[in-house]
Amino acid sequence: GAGVSQSPSNKVTEKGKDVELRCDPISGHTALYWYRQSLGQGLEFLIYFQGNSAPDKSGLPSDRFSAERTGGSVSTLTIQRTQQEDSAVYLCASSLKGPSDQEAFFGQGTRLTVV
Amino acid sequence: ELKVEQNPLFLSMQEGKNYTIYCNYSTTSDRLYWYRQDPGKSLESLFVLLSNGAVKQEGRLMASLDTKARLSTLHITAAVHDLSATYFCAPFTYGNKLVFGAGTILRVKS
Repeated sequence: GAGVSQSPSNKVTEKGKDVELRCDPISGHTALYWYRQSLGQGLEFLIYFQGNSAPDKSGLPSDRFSAERTGGSVSTLTIQRTQQEDSAVYLCASSLKGPSDQEAFFGQGTRLTVV
Repeated sequence: ELKVEQNPLFLSMQEGKNYTIYCNYSTTSDRLYWYRQDPGKSLESLFVLLSNGAVKQEGRLMASLDTKARLSTLHITAAVHDLSATYFCAPFTYGNKLVFGAGTILRVKS
């Protein structure tokens, strides 16, 4: 497809379980971002990948959160030992280069519910 | 660290009226993005403002950027119901991440 694709669209998990969220960016986009949006809130930056550079992980809220980007394309956000406060919509975005050049295009998000 | 403030956070307006949403940010940034989010949906890019004094218009929406004042505005002209959504501004930071404002929820009443 032409847009940013995220899967799953919805995920319900039990507290303490690990989850993996996937993001397929737009083909050719070198920059990829993960954000978190809690109900009725703004967007919280989590992590940023740009090409082969070391990712900017400054937004990850705890060491239970990690992300990787394989082959400069698909990215996976992993949350270990999920907590109820992790419940949110996780949004992925990509841009052709960094945000200095073009806006980021967002996927539809993964709604995570921790019960 | 860049901080972004939008106001108002909630705006209820009648169809046909005009209003402005303000986006202030705390540190130097020479470009800024506006996004729209419909309920339950993802974010859609509205405007890319790439320099001081930039003005972009699309339909009933017009965005401007004053980098010296660290201020962007989103002006709504003759609002219609279809404009009801949440609007986010996001200044670019040289840390290579977009920092979003809290969003302005706009409700246009018929």
